[in-house]
Amino acid sequence: QVQLVESGGGVVQPGRSLRLSCATSGFTFGSYAMHWVRQAPGKGLEWVAVISFDGSHKYYADSVKGRFTISRDNLKNTLYLQMDSLRADDTAVYYCARDSIAGHDTWCFDLWGRGTLVSVSS
Amino acid sequence: DIQMTQSPSSLSASVGDRVTITCRASQSINTFLNWYQQKPGKAPELLIYTASILRSGVPPRLSGSGSGTEFNLTISSLQPEDSATYFCQQGYTTPITFGPGTRLEMK
Repeated sequence: QVQLVESGGGVVQPGRSLRLSCATSGFTFGSYAMHWVRQAPGKGLEWVAVISFDGSHKYYADSVKGRFTISRDNLKNTLYLQMDSLRADDTAVYYCARDSIAGHDTWCFDLWGRGTLVSVSS
Repeated sequence: DIQMTQSPSSLSASVGDRVTITCRASQSINTFLNWYQQKPGKAPELLIYTASILRSGVPPRLSGSGSGTEFNLTISSLQPEDSATYFCQQGYTTPITFGPGTRLEMK
């Protein structure tokens, strides 16, 4: 079964760190670019970061650049998001999403996880 | 950054109505435009990619059109299950950006 399952969310104080994971199955993970997209409560979608299929290229939204790091382990079929110096406005559901075509950067998300909630609050 | 706008922000329509949602980009994005549907408490789902290609399994009453800076998502005959929020997204360049969403409700 093709699926993405996020984990690692929770309540964290401002300034602290959190690492999200996205476990994948049912497809050749190492062939696809992968993304993180977030959604603040009651708000729209915000793209966070992308990593190329082999991890050689990474791009970030300006709002997280320098604080968040996207990475992947193609042997474990898992995507990660290390989030440091968290702020209240990072509060959101974080989704991992698959780029739509293996071996190409389409910037189109054809498969999404259910999301994990990160709440930054003192 | 490329800014995406959508109109209307919300609309209410009846079963069988024809509905069109418009998405505009702040600069030309060719046809690198995708549409997603999101229902409450669920992850978004891809409906249309590259402006007009219907994803497999998506009902043919949905269609997409446009290029450059203006795009449309049309539902030819609205069904109750179409009640959702619709987002456009440009895949032309990073940072990838989404429209603010259009909330579609049934009358």
